[in-house]
Amino acid sequence: KQEVTQIPAALSVPEGENLVLNCSFTDSAIYNLQWFRQDPGKGLTSLLLIQSSQREQTSGRLNASLDKSSGRSTLYIAASQPGDSATYLCAVSASAGGTSYGKLTFGQGTILTVHP
Amino acid sequence: EPEVTQTPSHQVTQMGQEVILRCVPISNHLYFYWYRQILGQKVEFLVSFYNNEISEKSEIFDDQFSVERPDGSNFTLKIRSTKLEDSAMYFCASRDRGHQPQHFGDGTRLSIL
Repeated sequence: KQEVTQIPAALSVPEGENLVLNCSFTDSAIYNLQWFRQDPGKGLTSLLLIQSSQREQTSGRLNASLDKSSGRSTLYIAASQPGDSATYLCAVSASAGGTSYGKLTFGQGTILTVHP
Repeated sequence: EPEVTQTPSHQVTQMGQEVILRCVPISNHLYFYWYRQILGQKVEFLVSFYNNEISEKSEIFDDQFSVERPDGSNFTLKIRSTKLEDSAMYFCASRDRGHQPQHFGDGTRLSIL
């Protein structure tokens, strides 16, 4: 059974810092990995998706890496801003013979606070 | 940008009553999902739906739960006889084929009294 773990559980940084959020998963047979942002009382916003054959993806100040063999992904946020404060969730999609119906298994999230 | 919409945003129901949660996925998407998040816990998968049938379901998705896509646009989750432990935020999601991200709605907060 796939298990996803995120470290740290919470992180507080001053504005402008670069930071790294970590995600690990137990079963390397994944189809892809997604990073989401969740604001309080809101839904999940997809930030980045990395296919199982890829090593990294970038979007603006965000860069996500994937090391499938070791079961790890990191989300790097450059030059953090107070508006980045949210819970960041990592989720993996199981592979089923090269395709996937897309069931996501989530980590518990990292609560990020960026203070001015 | 197209988005997934869910109604209602908050539903309060007496234990034992039936409840229907509604979702309008993004129009050209092919895969549809329901997840739930109990307060303070991880987001959990409930069910996936593709080609007008359930493609996968979790242990949580027992006989009390059902899903329907009645008219090609709406996607509903029904809980037949609600229990206190069904209180949670329920999220609907959809995606296109291949390596495409799942897009989530803002959720329905279900409170069982």
